[in-house]
Amino acid sequence: DGGITQSPKYLFRKEGQNVTLSCEQNLNHDAMYWYRQDPGQGLRLIYYSQIVNDFQKGDIAEGYSVSREKKESFPLTVTSAQKNPTAFYLCASNSQRGYRQYFGPGTRLTVL
Amino acid sequence: KNEVEQSPQNLTAQEGEFITINCSYSVGISALHWLQQHPGGGIVSLFMLSSGKKKHGRLIATINIQEKHSSLHITASHPRDSAVYICAVNGERGGADGLTFGKGTHLIIQP
Repeated sequence: DGGITQSPKYLFRKEGQNVTLSCEQNLNHDAMYWYRQDPGQGLRLIYYSQIVNDFQKGDIAEGYSVSREKKESFPLTVTSAQKNPTAFYLCASNSQRGYRQYFGPGTRLTVL
Repeated sequence: KNEVEQSPQNLTAQEGEFITINCSYSVGISALHWLQQHPGGGIVSLFMLSSGKKKHGRLIATINIQEKHSSLHITASHPRDSAVYICAVNGERGGADGLTFGKGTHLIIQP
């Protein structure tokens, strides 16, 4: 089955540690996205990538980093510079010309 | 930057009622999406609209481009419709730059 996988579903880290969230898709989509969701707020765009080896900052990129070495993979690193990292993180993808986005199941990150 | 507003924020209704959720946006778009998020967090795309009206089962979505407004209707609502419904838009440049989201409408259908 084609789709997007994110792992793990729940992640706990101590304050000051970097943590990397995984996102893999087998939909052959060119574009991939990372969003953050906080209670009472809409999803906000962190980073996106329209092609391998290229990515752009979204609205809330500070404290995050990404890489896009393979078409299928778009990992997100939450660095110690992110002041409020506890949130629900969603990965999504779409084809370069398409509008519909396909979402992964999400990773809930809690920083203790 | 587009501002996406949804109303109501919370809605509780009885099974069988007709439900309407509204979405308005501030600047031109290339497409509007209605998404459904269940308590586990996963998001499912319900509709993508650029004009007119779409229907899928008991769900109907409409959009008025001139008024920058869309509505999602649920007919004969059922407890399994309980979820967060999210409106999101693509900018005028198309689908590659990501979506701008509303804050969502938390719907509870009581038996």
